[in-house]
Amino acid sequence: QKEVEQDPGPLSVPEGAIVSLNCTYSNSAFQYFMWYRQYSRKGPELLMYTYSSGNKEDGRFTAQVDKSSKYISLFIRDSQPSDSATYLCAMQRGSTLGRLYFGRGTQLTVWP
Amino acid sequence: NAGVTQTPKFQVLKTGQSMTLQCAQDMNHNSMYWYRQDPGMGLRLIYYSASEGTTDKGEVPNGYNVSRLNKREFSLRLESAAPSQTSVYFCASSETGNQKTQYFGPGTRLLVL
Repeated sequence: QKEVEQDPGPLSVPEGAIVSLNCTYSNSAFQYFMWYRQYSRKGPELLMYTYSSGNKEDGRFTAQVDKSSKYISLFIRDSQPSDSATYLCAMQRGSTLGRLYFGRGTQLTVWP
Repeated sequence: NAGVTQTPKFQVLKTGQSMTLQCAQDMNHNSMYWYRQDPGMGLRLIYYSASEGTTDKGEVPNGYNVSRLNKREFSLRLESAAPSQTSVYFCASSETGNQKTQYFGPGTRLLVL
């Protein structure tokens, strides 16, 4: 079993929809939870990260972590065609030197 | 300020050939990484360098070697390419102690025939 599981999709929604992207994990040692966005034929870029449990909001994006369920989510409100990309979750243990563990990525298309 | 640059952008190799993928960053980061990305597999860490002069194996190091040439440059070498190494290769860098925020290059698409 992979340490980080993510449904690859694809996910297709109309402009303005609320999008929910999710990952599950098996290692309870993970403390940092990241979301990277990757446009087609580009490198990933960090969207946001959270530490431990709770919510974090940044504009139209909200990241949620539920450590009791080992489940993290990224919500996109008022989705736009420019949000069309692959979204990768990533996780890190508590150590600042720990490597990142990536999910497979979910491909999202927002159509006008 | 170019960030992380990678060369070449695309390469076709025959089985058994060797090549070196080049990566450079201009953000004065100490840590650099090499990943491969395959359909359905996500990003997998090949090697990383926490600082100049040090390198360590990641999740999938077999068939690869790396060199941290200086603080800016980190190269990945395939000594004898195999079709299983067909992939997109990404280089990334980060500040020491901040692996959460990695800056990725545009990638190198490698096809091994």
